[in-house]
Amino acid sequence: RKEVEQDPGPFNVPEGATVAFNCTYSNSASQSFFWYRQDCRKEPKLLMSVYSSGNEDGRFTAQLNRASQYISLLIRDSKLSDSATYLCVVKETTGGFKTIFGAGTRLFVKA
Amino acid sequence: SAVISQKPSRDICQRGTSLTIQCQVDSQVTMMFWYRQQPGQSLTLIATANQGSEATYESGFVIDKFPISRPNLTFSTLTVSNMSPEDSSIYLCSAQDRVSDTQYFGPGTRLTVL
Repeated sequence: RKEVEQDPGPFNVPEGATVAFNCTYSNSASQSFFWYRQDCRKEPKLLMSVYSSGNEDGRFTAQLNRASQYISLLIRDSKLSDSATYLCVVKETTGGFKTIFGAGTRLFVKA
Repeated sequence: SAVISQKPSRDICQRGTSLTIQCQVDSQVTMMFWYRQQPGQSLTLIATANQGSEATYESGFVIDKFPISRPNLTFSTLTVSNMSPEDSSIYLCSAQDRVSDTQYFGPGTRLTVL
């Protein structure tokens, strides 16, 4: 089982749609969780951190379920500019510092 | 936040040669990393660059092939040695911000080996 698993997609959605991405992680002792965004031929950039209580940033909502070892990202009212690859990232601190990147979920938003 | 620059941004090299990639961060950071990313693939961690000591390499990566330096808190280099076409990839420098604990990435170096 991969340490961080994501549905690779691609997700093809129309503008204005709501889309949700899921991510599961294998190490129950994982400490910190993030969603990064990577545009084509660009470096990954932090989109948002994920907290146990859930957090929202404009059209983006991230949630964490520690019991199920599951992270989600919800994008409401999709824009063309949301088209990118979304990376689920998990940080572990047991046995030393380690950051694990998921393979990413590709999103295409179409007019 | 940390702003990271890399150079060169891209290069085309002959097999058997070596290329050194430089990474500069605009602020002091706790940790620096080097990743590789093949087209359409996720990030693969090559090593953690340690200030003033040998880098910590991940499984499958060795110092002879990917020597790394980090002489101070804001600068690191990665050398890709004795290159082959299989080394063609994007190489990304990353750093963890001292204050926010957030990991940032440089723009990457696109390497093509002929």
